[in-house]
Amino acid sequence: ELKVEQNPLFLSMQEGKNYTIYCNYSTTSDRLYWYRQDPGKSLESLFVLLSNGAVKQEGRLMASLDTKARLSTLHITAAVHDLSATYFCAASNYGGSQGNLIFGKGTKLSVKP
Amino acid sequence: DAGITQSPRHKVTETGTPVTLRCHQTENHRYMYWYRQDPGHGLRLIHYSYGVKDTDKGEVSDGYSVSRSKTEDFLLTLESATSSQTSVYFCAISESTEHYEQYFGPGTRLTVT
Repeated sequence: ELKVEQNPLFLSMQEGKNYTIYCNYSTTSDRLYWYRQDPGKSLESLFVLLSNGAVKQEGRLMASLDTKARLSTLHITAAVHDLSATYFCAASNYGGSQGNLIFGKGTKLSVKP
Repeated sequence: DAGITQSPRHKVTETGTPVTLRCHQTENHRYMYWYRQDPGHGLRLIHYSYGVKDTDKGEVSDGYSVSRSKTEDFLLTLESATSSQTSVYFCAISESTEHYEQYFGPGTRLTVT
């Protein structure tokens, strides 16, 4: 059974600092997704990682995937207040068929001036 | 933004009453999903559909049923609502040609009193 764990679950950062959110998954998964959710809003897709060693960057966020370690990371560079949100990772289930995803519980990020 | 709407957006109902939530998409995506989001649990899959009239259970399907008679509509029914079904419900869509990246609707906040 595929399980996805994120840590930390809560993260308070100062503006300008760097930090990493970790996403571990328990069994083989061929795709890894990162989403952002603002309070009271829906989920917004950030990254889709499709293969071992995949790295994607958008602004101050960079995501990577290590399928051998069953680990994905979301690295935040020089955080700004606008990055405050909850970030979810999700891994594909059923060998990728039908697109079923198992989500982590989310990391609530708060960036303070 | 992906063309996904959910109705109603907010609903308060009493225990024991039937409730139907609707998800409508204009993207012609094959796959549709219903999730619930509760504090401390992240997103959990209720049911999903891989085509018209083709549906299957997710992780937390007890007490819920679904129907998909048209590509664009996916209905979630609570036959007899209970207080434990108070939650925020999200619909999502995906397509295999887009690596099953899921796009989420705006959500429905359901309160069962």
